[in-house]
Amino acid sequence: GENVEQHPSTLSVQEGDSAVIKCTYSDSASNYFPWYKQELGKGPQLIIDIRSNVGEKKDQRIAVTLNKTAKHFSLHITETQPEDSAVYFCADDAGGTSYGKLTFGQGTILTVHP
Amino acid sequence: ETGVTQSPTHLIKTRGQQVTLRCSSQSGHNTVSWYQQALGQGPQFIFQYYREEENGRGNFPPRFSGLQFPNYSSELNVNALELDDSALYLCASSLQGEGGEAFFGQGTRLTVV
Repeated sequence: GENVEQHPSTLSVQEGDSAVIKCTYSDSASNYFPWYKQELGKGPQLIIDIRSNVGEKKDQRIAVTLNKTAKHFSLHITETQPEDSAVYFCADDAGGTSYGKLTFGQGTILTVHP
Repeated sequence: ETGVTQSPTHLIKTRGQQVTLRCSSQSGHNTVSWYQQALGQGPQFIFQYYREEENGRGNFPPRFSGLQFPNYSSELNVNALELDDSALYLCASSLQGEGGEAFFGQGTRLTVV
């Protein structure tokens, strides 16, 4: 997609609390929205994704919601644990001839305090 | 582990030199995309290779070039290195077409001095 805005840039929570990260996108052709977790010194790890024909997807403690009308999607982590501490990136993919050409948000540094 | 491997892990080069970075894609994947990640920022798309040809390029100058081999592995070449090229270079492998989740390697940390 053209532009992806991600908020907040930093997020600090207590262990057991929930964390929510929000992204907005500008490309109306975007139809695939992955979320990546990046730990220090490592490459981004795909943790969950959602496609444009679905409004919500859940995998254990993480969930993603998508509002195509408003062009925003969110990552929800429940019962946070210290090992969830990392940088999280949202991204979008316009599909068509653009499969796999991801546009990333600026990232959110999540810190979970024990 | 994603099965995507990159080499080398770290590299120091002098301004004006040339560098080649390598990526082996995950088994079964036919597409490799390269990204540049500056410190504190999200990855930025450089280009993608599919069927040994460039299949889209981001906003990067021609001194960034690449190759894809018949076994789907790939190289990223950067000529005339500049200080601003210092970054983490990531490759991601995927299967072309809808549903092709992208899996990243651990990256190559390039420092230009």
